[in-house]
Amino acid sequence: GAVVSQHPSWVICKSGTSVKIECRSLDFQATTMFWYRQFPKQSLMLMATSNEGSKATYEQGVEKDKFLINHASLTLSTLTVTSAHPEDSSFYICSARDAGVDWNEQFFGPGTRLTVL
Amino acid sequence: GQNIDQPTEMTATEGAIVQINCTYQTSGFNGLFWYQQHAGEAPTFLSYNVLDGLEEKGRFSSFLSRSKGYSYLLLKELQMKDSASYLCASMDSNYQLIWGAGTKLIIKP
Repeated sequence: GAVVSQHPSWVICKSGTSVKIECRSLDFQATTMFWYRQFPKQSLMLMATSNEGSKATYEQGVEKDKFLINHASLTLSTLTVTSAHPEDSSFYICSARDAGVDWNEQFFGPGTRLTVL
Repeated sequence: GQNIDQPTEMTATEGAIVQINCTYQTSGFNGLFWYQQHAGEAPTFLSYNVLDGLEEKGRFSSFLSRSKGYSYLLLKELQMKDSASYLCASMDSNYQLIWGAGTKLIIKP
């Protein structure tokens, strides 16, 4: 089956530092990847849609200069949280759609738990 | 606007049956998904409906009525491991998933 990995699984950082999260599709190519954020006891919130070889599409209210997304290859998208602050502490989840099939399922990575001190 | 509604929390007994309802309003429609999410973990795919009717997959079944903007997830022979949040998501015309807030299912012995 389609597998998506995320790295790191969890990260603790100091306020003001930048954190990079990687999302990889391991056994399929993904022209489109999605980045979500989930706060405790809340549903998934789509932050941005990452398109291979082009700029990401950000949802309303998400600062593109703070959450930098790069989708440089068909199997890798990265999310960089720049100058992280405690309010950025959350569970970040990526998902990917298989470009090779006519099927709408999004395959989710295991998530990255970010804690900003 | 786009909206997904599902109950916040439900409680059921081990071995019983539970139905989790979801109503949706999205710009266009490319299918209705159900995901299971255990605390601290990413969602895992359960089912996908794009045509009206019931899709059965083992203990889990999902139903869709496009004319009513309505779906339900039916869980049979409940097990303690089924305690989780169940997320309903509608895929809109841009192939983006619009998520419900999730239904926390509590299973009691």
